[in-house]
Amino acid sequence: DTAVSQTPKYLVTQMGNDKSIKCEQNLGHDTMYWYKQDSKKFLKIMFSYNNKELIINETVPNRFSPKSPDKAHLNLHINSLELGDSAVYFCASSHLPTGAGSPLHFGNGTRLTVT
Amino acid sequence: AQRVTQPEKLLSVFKGAPVELKCNYSYSGSPELFWYVQYSRQRLQLLLRHISRESIKGFTADLNKGETSFHLKKPFAQEEDSAMYYCASAGGNQFYFGTGTSLTVIP
Repeated sequence: DTAVSQTPKYLVTQMGNDKSIKCEQNLGHDTMYWYKQDSKKFLKIMFSYNNKELIINETVPNRFSPKSPDKAHLNLHINSLELGDSAVYFCASSHLPTGAGSPLHFGNGTRLTVT
Repeated sequence: AQRVTQPEKLLSVFKGAPVELKCNYSYSGSPELFWYVQYSRQRLQLLLRHISRESIKGFTADLNKGETSFHLKKPFAQEEDSAMYYCASAGGNQFYFGTGTSLTVIP
């Protein structure tokens, strides 16, 4: 009965490949996010969607493309993977846009390793 | 722009000792402040939010507007407290995370 679920949990792939990570939340939240956690454990927001519309798009290479088919799903597609893309990617959701102080609920993360 | 600063990247304390994880924020408005915890290879979980003024797992955090701080404290550290702790502030449609503090409780 996971609230925010991501698949796959682990992803090992070669440079140059294209891969997707899926995220679904069953909390009825309006806003979903993708965060990247690097090897130093720094957390950086990548994207935020509110009701399927992009509201935050940080400086991320355009090889990364989020897609939100409905407000319960926010998938992340990555083209032409590079070694530097290796990280843990966390999906999160909140009830409101964060300006209202609604806490984030995180998924379990997807550990991406690019070889 | 908001900023959240966690000055300690690593912190080690002995079991039973008091622990304080520092967090300072910069925000011109009234931020919402949170502490998140990430146990080894797990997801981030909400630990505390300042508006709740509650104690979770023995941890407390008080918002000090004069010092713009939201330090996390626990009087007696336990081994199971070893984890990564992130301070975060929310406001202006954004969530800002600090760089995290890795706490190790030595048995």
